[in-house]
Amino acid sequence: GAVVSQHPSRVICKSGTSVKIECRSLDFQATTMFWYRQFPKQSLMLMATSNEGSKATYEQGVEKDKFLINHASLTLSTLTVTSAHPEDSSFYICSAPTGGSTDEQFFGPGTRLTVL
Amino acid sequence: QQPVQSPQAVILREGEDAVINCSSSKALYSVHWYRQKHGEAPVFLMILLKGGEQKGHEKISASFNEKKQQSSLYLTASQLSYSGTYFCGTRRGFGNEKLTFGTGTRLTIIP
Repeated sequence: GAVVSQHPSRVICKSGTSVKIECRSLDFQATTMFWYRQFPKQSLMLMATSNEGSKATYEQGVEKDKFLINHASLTLSTLTVTSAHPEDSSFYICSAPTGGSTDEQFFGPGTRLTVL
Repeated sequence: QQPVQSPQAVILREGEDAVINCSSSKALYSVHWYRQKHGEAPVFLMILLKGGEQKGHEKISASFNEKKQQSSLYLTASQLSYSGTYFCGTRRGFGNEKLTFGTGTRLTIIP
């Protein structure tokens, strides 16, 4: 199946700093990628839809100025958490649909962000 | 709106069967099932497309009732490795339509 990678897998940072998370589709092109956030013992919540060549679409309640998304190419989307605070500590996961007949979405391995 | 799963949690002995339900308030194009282990990303199990299909293999299967906007995941003769949190994900369209995850069901299998 298709492969989606994320980097870094874990990051610890101080409050007030910015953190960039990369999501790459390794063997297929993705015009769209999705960014999810998951707090402990909760479900995955969609934060935004990343669109290659255009602005990201944010879900209600997600601050677009805080969570900057850039879909630089057909295989790379980045999520930057700006001025991170402890409440931003979470598990961030990206996914990408392959667009094939199976309608499947492939998920990255996730990034664990801890803000001190 | 987020699909609702039931039960929220279930504990089974190895070899017992389980059914996990997923219900949406909106019309669906597809239902996706995932299993997530603690600290890991969700692992894809299967997709069901509208049309009322049922699919899966011998021990893990699922059905999708398009009219009722419901899907059920069936785990037969559960194994210890089945432990984890199960999520359904629903899509209202094809292609780049977003996937909305359900509330989750925590399954614990004990020897």
